[in-house]
Amino acid sequence: GAVVSQHPSWVICKSGTSVKIECRSLDFQATTMFWYRQFPKQSLMLMATSNEGSKATYEQGVEKDKFLINHASLTLSTLTVTSAHPEDSSFYICSAREPRLGYEQFFGPGTRLTVL
Amino acid sequence: RKEVEQDPGPFNVPEGATVAFNCTYSNSASQSFFWYRQDCRKEPKLLMSVYSSGNEDGRFTAQLNRASQYISLLIRDSKLSDSATYLCAVNGYILTGGGNKLTFGTGTQLKVEL
Repeated sequence: GAVVSQHPSWVICKSGTSVKIECRSLDFQATTMFWYRQFPKQSLMLMATSNEGSKATYEQGVEKDKFLINHASLTLSTLTVTSAHPEDSSFYICSAREPRLGYEQFFGPGTRLTVL
Repeated sequence: RKEVEQDPGPFNVPEGATVAFNCTYSNSASQSFFWYRQDCRKEPKLLMSVYSSGNEDGRFTAQLNRASQYISLLIRDSKLSDSATYLCAVNGYILTGGGNKLTFGTGTQLKVEL
């Protein structure tokens, strides 16, 4: 149980384009999902907390207009990187929390974004 | 001071060795503690939760010291397959802005060699 999927696994795009990443909880309902970014040899940095049916809460320094988050259902959250630039190239990972299991977060397999 | 700190390593150890990692956290209101394992270019996978009483899972033992605000992970009889980056994570109310989130350390890289 508690499986999280993420698509796509990797994407290469040109500078200036927008990329959408999907995060799904497959066998449970996630009222809260989290989006992280990880640069090489660095830790996971929380970008935003996504709550179903309400606006996401962004961490300090994360541009909400650049990283659009939508959590329209209890099993799906999307992150759209708008007008991507090479410095946005990173490993984006989502996670979901199953309230009945406490604070543990279940991670998706991640999306490797490369912006040329 | 970072909220969660770890020695980045790498720790190079021979197969069969015992190795220990420490992780310190700054928020005394932290509520839950975890060790994750992350393989190269993969997502983190939960290794074990950490409880005040300490807990053991096979060759892995985790300890929490609330007074000194650190958690530890001990790996006994290390295997080649244990080579990975070990991330500690702390869940609690953030010091500024409110809310509840999981904060990760930078990870400690372990390399187990023949």
